[in-house]
Amino acid sequence: QVQLQESGPGLVKPSETLSLTCAVSGYSISSGYYWGWIRQPPGKGLEWIGSIYHSGSTYYNPSLKSRVTISVDTSKNQFSLKLSSVTAADTAVYYCARRLTVAGPGDYWGQGTLVTVSS
Amino acid sequence: EIVLTQSPGTLSLSPGERATLSCRASQSVSSSYLAWYQQKPGQAPRLLIYGASSRATGIPDRFSGSGSGTDFTLTISRLEPEDFAVYYCQSLYTFGQGTKLEIK
Repeated sequence: QVQLQESGPGLVKPSETLSLTCAVSGYSISSGYYWGWIRQPPGKGLEWIGSIYHSGSTYYNPSLKSRVTISVDTSKNQFSLKLSSVTAADTAVYYCARRLTVAGPGDYWGQGTLVTVSS
Repeated sequence: EIVLTQSPGTLSLSPGERATLSCRASQSVSSSYLAWYQQKPGQAPRLLIYGASSRATGIPDRFSGSGSGTDFTLTISRLEPEDFAVYYCQSLYTFGQGTKLEIK
């Protein structure tokens, strides 16, 4: 069974960089599929942030592209998100997920982690 | 950028009834990239339908998806108590705003 688990600080100061890691178990990232990040502000809808393939190829949501970096570490079977220059508008539950294709749906999701941006 | 508009915003029905949820795209989208999710409070979204009409693994056959071009539909044939949740459609990197299915 594929499982994903997000980890990282739950509180980040404005203007700093948000960093999260998603550990994958039950499936080797090197075997294929795309791996992505999605966020959901409290009480609001979902937003794809970006995706990465095991080779390192990435695709980012144009609205966040200038601030986002997604990377993969196949040796640790995990991938990571960095979002720079955060503001209160970046406060959200952040999910990681496996995507069937680069722009396809997410079939396995982590349980999500709340990141609050506040001084 | 594609905009997905879901309707209605809230749907009030009783268990055993049929639910029909709509997702309209601002421009034509490939059916291959149209998906539906169910989300319950405090939980991650659960993939129900992908490729507009294919059920994901383990999804009951009371859930079905249809449509093409700009108009897509998620149908739940007979509502069970556990089906009351928020439903999102998704295409590429865009999600709809969601439809809340509540018990009448």
